[in-house]
Amino acid sequence: QVQLVESGGGLVKPGGSLRLSCATSGFIFSDYYMSWVRQTPGKGLEWVAYITAWNYTRYVDSVQGRFTISRDSAKKSVSLQMNSLRVEDTAVYYCARDDIKRGVFDYWGQGALVTVSS
Amino acid sequence: EAVLTQSPATLYVSPGERVTLSCRASQRVSGFLAWYQQKPGQAPRLLIYDTSNRATGIPARFSGGGSGTDFTLTISSLESEDFAVYYCQQRSNRPRDAFGQGTKVEI
Repeated sequence: QVQLVESGGGLVKPGGSLRLSCATSGFIFSDYYMSWVRQTPGKGLEWVAYITAWNYTRYVDSVQGRFTISRDSAKKSVSLQMNSLRVEDTAVYYCARDDIKRGVFDYWGQGALVTVSS
Repeated sequence: EAVLTQSPATLYVSPGERVTLSCRASQRVSGFLAWYQQKPGQAPRLLIYDTSNRATGIPARFSGGGSGTDFTLTISSLESEDFAVYYCQQRSNRPRDAFGQGTKVEI
């Protein structure tokens, strides 16, 4: 069965960095885009970034230039490197399989809490 | 920029009732409109894609409809496990994906 397992969340000071990882299994990794989606009580669900099988990437404007999404085909994993973190980046970050044929996130990880606070 | 507005914010219902949730888009949805269910402490789960198609394993009591800018999710007879928050999602160009703010279905 499809599984997505995030790791790497935690508490970081404003301006700091954090790296999230997502290990996947149960599907052909190279067949899918992968995305990160975050959730806050105030703003709800927000798509953050995606990466294609050939490593094309795209970001929401608010993280452009600060966050970098990458994927490792050998390890079937996707990562999100977050630099210059702001208080407003505090959220639960979900790794999600991105089905571009249907335009949906059809499988999600359990989420990783990132707290940016001094 | 695509904006999705869901109504109502909270819906108080009883088991067995028929429930209809609304999602209105700020611009015509030409392609993909989906619905997700989220329970406390869990990730969202895909229910409906392409406006009216149920995802794998989703019970037939869930149905989606609509077109243009107005969409609905209907639960024909609410069961206890259906009390949750429901989100609509539109895939567009900018932002790449937009989510509604959610409708909470409560007892």
